[in-house]
Amino acid sequence: AQSVSQHNHHVILSEAASLELGCNYSYGGTVNLFWYVQYPGQHLQLLLKYFSGDPLVKGIKGFEAEFIKSKFSFNLRKPSVQWSDTAEYFCAVRLYYGGSQGNLIFGKGTKLSVKP
Amino acid sequence: NAGVMQNPRHLVRRRGQEARLRCSPMKGHSHVYWYRQLPEEGLKFMVYLQKENIIDESGMPKERFSAEFPKEGPSILRIQQVVRGDSAAYFCASSPDRGRFEKLFFGSGTQLSVL
Repeated sequence: AQSVSQHNHHVILSEAASLELGCNYSYGGTVNLFWYVQYPGQHLQLLLKYFSGDPLVKGIKGFEAEFIKSKFSFNLRKPSVQWSDTAEYFCAVRLYYGGSQGNLIFGKGTKLSVKP
Repeated sequence: NAGVMQNPRHLVRRRGQEARLRCSPMKGHSHVYWYRQLPEEGLKFMVYLQKENIIDESGMPKERFSAEFPKEGPSILRIQQVVRGDSAAYFCASSPDRGRFEKLFFGSGTQLSVL
């Protein structure tokens, strides 16, 4: 079955440190890729998405992600984190097969704690 | 334009009772999705509905779970005779269309606790 793997369960960083959260998926066909963020007590919000074109995608709040098709990866990055980035981050993939659109498949999430 | 509204935010039920979770999609959105998040797990797709129709229920448990999205009113996820294993966060998402560039908007979720 297709799956989405997020390598880190919990990441702890100090403010101004650089961030990279890993995301890999298992599917060789056409995909749409997403990163969602869930701040404490809030709903999931879309950080960024990749549909096609430039594999380097820029999102809100200084986040970016790079789609590397050969590695089936879509890692999330931010050069300098802030305390307000403390949240849980979810990678999600939508598969396309035989002309049909699949539903979003989520990774287990990575909790990011940023120390002030 | 209010976001996706889910209620209640927290729901406590005893084993054997029924749980009804409500989701009001964003205005103009006719596509609704329900996801379940178990502790330490990612969100798992349960069901996709379009006004008055269940389109895809491949993620729904075969028994005790049902969903509807009536012409008027919110979408309802109903769990009959709840068991402890049903304790989870249930998220609803909506979108205006299903196309290639579909974007989902999520609610804040309902945390169901079964005692």
